Amino acid sequence: ETGVTQSPTHLIKTRGQQVTLRCSSQSGHNTVSWYQQALGQGPQFIFQYYREEENGRGNFPPRFSGLQFPNYSSELNVNALELDDSALYLCASSGLAGLSSYNEQFFGPGTRLTVL
Amino acid sequence: DQQVKQNSPSLSVQEGRISILNCDYTNSMFDYFLWYKKYPAEGPTFLISISSIKDKNEDGRFTVFLNKSAKHLSLHIVPSQPGDSAVYFCAASAEGSGGSNYKLTFGKGTLLTVNP
Repeated sequence: ETGVTQSPTHLIKTRGQQVTLRCSSQSGHNTVSWYQQALGQGPQFIFQYYREEENGRGNFPPRFSGLQFPNYSSELNVNALELDDSALYLCASSGLAGLSSYNEQFFGPGTRLTVL
Repeated sequence: DQQVKQNSPSLSVQEGRISILNCDYTNSMFDYFLWYKKYPAEGPTFLISISSIKDKNEDGRFTVFLNKSAKHLSLHIVPSQPGDSAVYFCAASAEGSGGSNYKLTFGKGTLLTVNP
């Protein structure tokens, strides 16, 4: 069973640029959630994708957008990067609705984004 | 407004002793609680969870206790081992509209150090 993978591991961008982060969900999982973890903070929910549609969104501006593909992999896109976007971006996958384990999300190693 | 609070930024215990990590929450809609462990440069790793219909869940050395009236949960690790040294996050979720939004709300984490 393959776990959650993310790419790239690290990324450096300048203010105003755009970035795309990628995530492959754990085998058998159909839901992907994205989180932003700033230094010294817990992960903050950005949005969740289920069956290729956005299924809930946190308090993040529209320049944060995403996609989910038929194979359940996902992308996080951030436009017009700001210095405060520097953070660890975590992707998490979870299983089928209706199962007791549905709430248990399994995280990838994250992408460290630095905005200069 | 922080809905999940971990008021102890750090905790230090001796190997073999009990580690008790605490978490408080304010949102009475939360019905599922999870603990994650995070090592540097890795994503959070799921440890143990508990549903709001239970007051205790045990898995090996890890036990989570839930006190709904106090809106408080705790993670007990017995016996503590040096490999348990990591940041521990408490997280909570609430069944959203349509029963499909299981975003996790995290605390800021507690750094546990287990000394040999």
